[in-house]
Amino acid sequence: GQQLNQSPQSMFIQEGEDVSMNCTSSSIFNTWLWYKQDPGEGPVLLIALYKAGELTSNGRLTAQFGITRKDSFLNISASIPSDVGIYFCAGPPLNAGNMLTFGGGTRLMVKP
Amino acid sequence: DAMVIQNPRYQVTQFGKPVTLSCSQTLNHNVMYWYQQKSSQAPKLLFHYYDKDFNNEADTPDNFQSRRPNTSFCFLDIRSPGLGDAAMYLCATSTTSGPYEQYFGPGTRLTVT
Repeated sequence: GQQLNQSPQSMFIQEGEDVSMNCTSSSIFNTWLWYKQDPGEGPVLLIALYKAGELTSNGRLTAQFGITRKDSFLNISASIPSDVGIYFCAGPPLNAGNMLTFGGGTRLMVKP
Repeated sequence: DAMVIQNPRYQVTQFGKPVTLSCSQTLNHNVMYWYQQKSSQAPKLLFHYYDKDFNNEADTPDNFQSRRPNTSFCFLDIRSPGLGDAAMYLCATSTTSGPYEQYFGPGTRLTVT
């Protein structure tokens, strides 16, 4: 089935550093969603992207919808300890209606 | 605040003993989903409802059943839990026709002893 390739799988960074992660697909997506999941909790929607080329920010987070519609990236600036968690990209492939395909996740660890 | 609520947050059951997990939502979304998530993996869709129309994923075991008595509530029944069913179970909701954002509850962590 459709897969989203998310990288890196994990990152261990120093507090204050910037972080970048991305998702790629072999097929076109019309929507890209970025979620964060804290340990023992459900995923929380961070940013939703709906147009190719769209660049959207949410505080220290910035995400972009790639112009080919096959990729997206998420940047976190000036990381803080509470940024720790697993970040998932997700989106519905064309003709999949509401059904989301998820990337494998990026586990972020921040050293104070 | 509009939200998705899951109860209980933690559930321990014995091997083979039926268990029911519940989900409720105040978002008034007509689509509800159940996902299974194992450690450090992406959520895996088990089934979903468009209103009362039930849709099962092809690889969801028969051991898993679901009920949606009304718009607000949805239940996941595991008829005979095995050790391999220990996981986080996530409920999510969305509207029918975009945007395609799904909103997740906090999850129920199921342990099978």
